Amino acid sequence: KQEVTQIPAALSVPEGENLVLNCSFTDSAIYNLQWFRQDPGKGLTSLLLIQSSQREQTSGRLNASLDKSSGRSTLYIAASQPGDSATYLCAVKGSEETSGSRLTFGEGTQLTVNP
Amino acid sequence: DGGITQSPKYLFRKEGQNVTLSCEQNLNHDAMYWYRQDPGQGLRLIYYSQIVNDFQKGDIAEGYSVSREKKESFPLTVTSAQKNPTAFYLCSSSIDRDSQQYFGPGTRLTVT
Repeated sequence: KQEVTQIPAALSVPEGENLVLNCSFTDSAIYNLQWFRQDPGKGLTSLLLIQSSQREQTSGRLNASLDKSSGRSTLYIAASQPGDSATYLCAVKGSEETSGSRLTFGEGTQLTVNP
Repeated sequence: DGGITQSPKYLFRKEGQNVTLSCEQNLNHDAMYWYRQDPGQGLRLIYYSQIVNDFQKGDIAEGYSVSREKKESFPLTVTSAQKNPTAFYLCSSSIDRDSQQYFGPGTRLTVT
């Protein structure tokens, strides 16, 4: 059964700092990996989707990398801003054979960027 | 505007009552999903549907039921058999089972 772990559980940084959020998964037979952002009491906003054949994806100040063989992904946020404060969730989608193409989520990293 | 709507935003029910949560999308997506989120836990899959008139159980389907009579609608019923129904419920959809998933704003259900 796929398990997804996110470290750290919480992170507090000063504005302007570059930071890295980590995600690891136990079964490397994944189809893709998504990073989401969740604000308190809200739904999830998709940030980046990396297909299993890709190594990284970039959107603005965000860069996500994927190392499928080692079961790891990182989300890099450059020049952090107070508006980046939220919970960041990593989710992996398995193959139809192993998991019915479902998304398995980590518990998230709660990020606080202090002005 | 295109997107996923969930209603209501907050729902309160007495123990023993069934309650239905609404999820509608106008993105023309084939696949739709229901997740439950509890404090300190990741999202857990309740039910999913890859096509109209077909759906499959997720990891925690006991005490829940769904229907998929129309492409744009995937309502979730929380029955009295669900032992701990109080949670934040999230609906999502994707073009197909392997594509990016988009989420609705969620419904917070409180059962007392």
